[in-house]
Formats: sequence, structure tokens, C-alpha cells
Amino acid sequence: EVQLVESGGGLVQPGRSLRLSCEASGFTFDDYGMHWVRQAPGKGLEWVSGISWNTNTIGQADSVKGRFTISRDNAKNSLYLQMNSLRTEDTALYYCVKDQGAWLAPINYFDSWGQGTLVTVSS
Amino acid sequence: QSALTQPPSASGSPGQSVTISCTGTSSDVGAYNYVSWYQQHPGKAPKVMIFEVNKRPSGVPHRFSGSKSGNTASLTVSGLQAEDEADYYCSSYAGSNNVVFGGGTKLTVL
Repeated sequence: EVQLVESGGGLVQPGRSLRLSCEASGFTFDDYGMHWVRQAPGKGLEWVSGISWNTNTIGQADSVKGRFTISRDNAKNSLYLQMNSLRTEDTALYYCVKDQGAWLAPINYFDSWGQGTLVTVSS
Repeated sequence: QSALTQPPSASGSPGQSVTISCTGTSSDVGAYNYVSWYQQHPGKAPKVMIFEVNKRPSGVPHRFSGSKSGNTASLTVSGLQAEDEADYYCSSYAGSNNVVFGGGTKLTVL
């Protein structure tokens, strides 16, 4: 059974940084692309960033370019999101999401989701 | 990277059919057959219901179906059941290693 467990969320002031982690199990982690998708309270889903199995291909939403960095450690079955220069509008539940394929070209669909970690940006 | 357009709400009585639209552009929905639909119950993570426009993952009931015409994709739920009440989101590949979601539709079973 695929399991994705996010951690690292919390309350942070605007302009500060936070690093999210996702520990994966139940599948061969380095066979699949991975993503972060967020959902602001009471709002819809927003794709944040994705990374191919071999880290060669990375995609990012315009809203986080230059501020967020996705990475992965296949030896540790882990996905990360480094979030810098946080803004109040980054407040959301951040989901770790498994791609159905290895590459991000194209991104087909997301077949497994974690339960999310909540990031609150507020002074 | 503009969000796809979905109606905020839809409703139907048990046993009826309801269709939810998802309108994009010639750069996303119209350009690729990588449209998927996700169901999200309150407090739960989303679950894929349809991928590649009209394919169902194993375990998804046959009463869920998808289609696409031009820049608009659609999700149809036939034979509505109480457990279908949820939020539904469409998404599409948008090229250049990007994905865009719709704003979501709250489906109410009357």
C-alpha cells in the first residue's frame, strides 16, 4: 500500500523559510515522479511543483518560482519542498503526491496523495 | 497558468445524472488528452476518478465517465448516489512540465 507522510508544516512569519518533507513507502520511489499540491483553507487545489524520478526535470507554478525549490533523495525515499520568502497567500495544506509515471513530460495524473501538512504564514 | 473554469456548484437527485464542465484553453485542455478528475470528500485527500479524459482507474464505479470537446472537458456521474456528494476538481497538463487545476465544483445530492 502506497503511503505518503508529510511533515514540517507549522506557523511561520512572512518572509521566513520552511522546509517540508514527505516520506514515501509501499512503492519503488525512484520509479516515479513526485509533486507538491496545495490547498488554501476553503479553497481549491493548486499544483505547486513536480520533479521527475531522476531529478532531471522540474516543473513549478509561476506563483512560487524563485521562492520554492523541490528536491528528492531516492536513497531515503523522501521528497522535499524548500519554501523561502513565504507570503500570507502561501498559507495552505500541502499535499505530497505521487505521479503515475516517471517523467514530467507529460504530467498525466496523480494516483496517490498524502494527508497533507498545514503551513500557516502569519505575523 | 490560469486555472481551468468549473461551475462552483452542481446538484442532482439520487439516481439522476449530472455533468460538470471544465473549460480551459488551446494550451491545456484543448492541446492534450491528459485531463483528469479528482473527488474530494470533506477533510480527506483527493482521489483520482478519471484520467486521460475518459479512463477509469480500477475500483472507480462505471457510473463515472469523462469526455472532451475542444477546450472543454466534462465529468458525468450517472445514477447519483449519496456518497457521490463531494468536491470535484479537473486538471490538465499545460505543457512545459506544468499542470493546472480547475477551481472545483461542489456536487450536492439532493
